[in-house]
Amino acid sequence: SALTQPASLSGSPGQSITISCTGTSSDVGGNDYVSWYQQHPGKAPKLIIYDVSNRPSGVSNRFSGSKSGNTASLTISGLQAEDEADYFCSLYTSGITLEVMFGGGTKLTVL
Amino acid sequence: QLQLQESGPGLVRPSETLSLTCSVSGGSIRSRSYYWDWIRQSPGKGLEWIGSVYFGGTTYYNPSLKSRVTISADTAKNHFSLNLNSVTAADTAVYYCARQGTLGDFDYWGRGTLVTVSS
Repeated sequence: SALTQPASLSGSPGQSITISCTGTSSDVGGNDYVSWYQQHPGKAPKLIIYDVSNRPSGVSNRFSGSKSGNTASLTISGLQAEDEADYFCSLYTSGITLEVMFGGGTKLTVL
Repeated sequence: QLQLQESGPGLVRPSETLSLTCSVSGGSIRSRSYYWDWIRQSPGKGLEWIGSVYFGGTTYYNPSLKSRVTISADTAKNHFSLNLNSVTAADTAVYYCARQGTLGDFDYWGRGTLVTVSS
């Protein structure tokens, strides 16, 4: 993937964890159209963050997004068992043409 | 409440064409506010954007699949379709249709349909 995520992370209930999504100055560093998705096994992905740091209606405020340079980040605070899932970042670009790319995904385990 | 539902064969022979349809209810695909997309996920792997169709029929494709993909919309039936030709085992995946806001956020997804490429 052009967007690099850690393959796996783990944390204990109540802790905070941060998932990174690293690109280049030409993609992540060049716009603010980063989204994050949560996917439970056998389910479709669910949008949890868009435009780097915005939460859709109904998404817990324990999820927050940010960006610094060429790296976008998803932070989950107050980790809960239900947060155990795969998380994917995505980036929208509209240079010569519209394109969307996804990160490889991070499997989050709640210990 | 917007709903998307994928339909099509679950098994496709190698070298043939994979064809799927996404039926949309609770909203119109004629909206100028959204794109309508196909995304796939190979077993145990990550997500791969396939392409989009927009109001008026404008399409955008993943460069790596562009030579084999066609996405079209039927506004009368309120559905959009995916054709992927010359398939191989590498095209085996769960195929999702989704609604995309105009800046890359996929806010509604279908449940996904598994398509296996095998003889």
